[in-house]
Amino acid sequence: DGGITQSPKYLFRKEGQNVTLSCEQNLNHDAMYWYRQDPGQGLRLIYYSQIVNDFQKGDIAEGYSVSREKKESFPLTVTSAQKNPTAFYLCAATDNSYNSPLHFGNGTRLTVT
Amino acid sequence: DAKTTQPPSMDCAEGRAANLPCNHSTISGNEYVYWYRQIHSQGPQYIIHGLKNNETNEMASLIITEDRKSSTLILPHATLRDTAVYYCIVRVPLLGGYNKLIFGAGTRLAVHP
Repeated sequence: DGGITQSPKYLFRKEGQNVTLSCEQNLNHDAMYWYRQDPGQGLRLIYYSQIVNDFQKGDIAEGYSVSREKKESFPLTVTSAQKNPTAFYLCAATDNSYNSPLHFGNGTRLTVT
Repeated sequence: DAKTTQPPSMDCAEGRAANLPCNHSTISGNEYVYWYRQIHSQGPQYIIHGLKNNETNEMASLIITEDRKSSTLILPHATLRDTAVYYCIVRVPLLGGYNKLIFGAGTRLAVHP
């Protein structure tokens, strides 16, 4: 079954702890993206990556870090420096040709207390 | 900032056509219009996209005006399962071959019996 897998679905952490969200894809897509969604709002871009060992900051990268050691994996770490980490996090992938759609995973809902 | 404007909410009777409008008056000549929908607590689902010609697939039709400043997504026979938030998005090409989707707040479509 091809697609994008995000795990876990729900994640709870105490304030001050770093937490890593998993994103795996078996679509063989080159580009991967992380978005954040807050209640009632659209998605905002955190980080994106086109190839292994390369990634770029999006619009709201502060307090986040990523790695791209394998084509199929793009984990996101929410650090203690992120002031408002509670949100719904979405991972996406595309082959990045000019008019190919992004395919999204089903998200991880992170709650920090 | 989102490059699209959509009404915050719409209603549609089951079995009728749902016509969702979108304004993108600042769209550039090489920017595609994409439509996604999102059911609560799930990742956005790709529906359709287009550049300047009208498009149709098994899910919907996309009508783009000749000046490309607006478009309409048509769900020909809406069902209760079409209740979701619908996002009209302009895909912005970035340096290095990346692409970026800029999400607005979307239109909340409620399909009722």
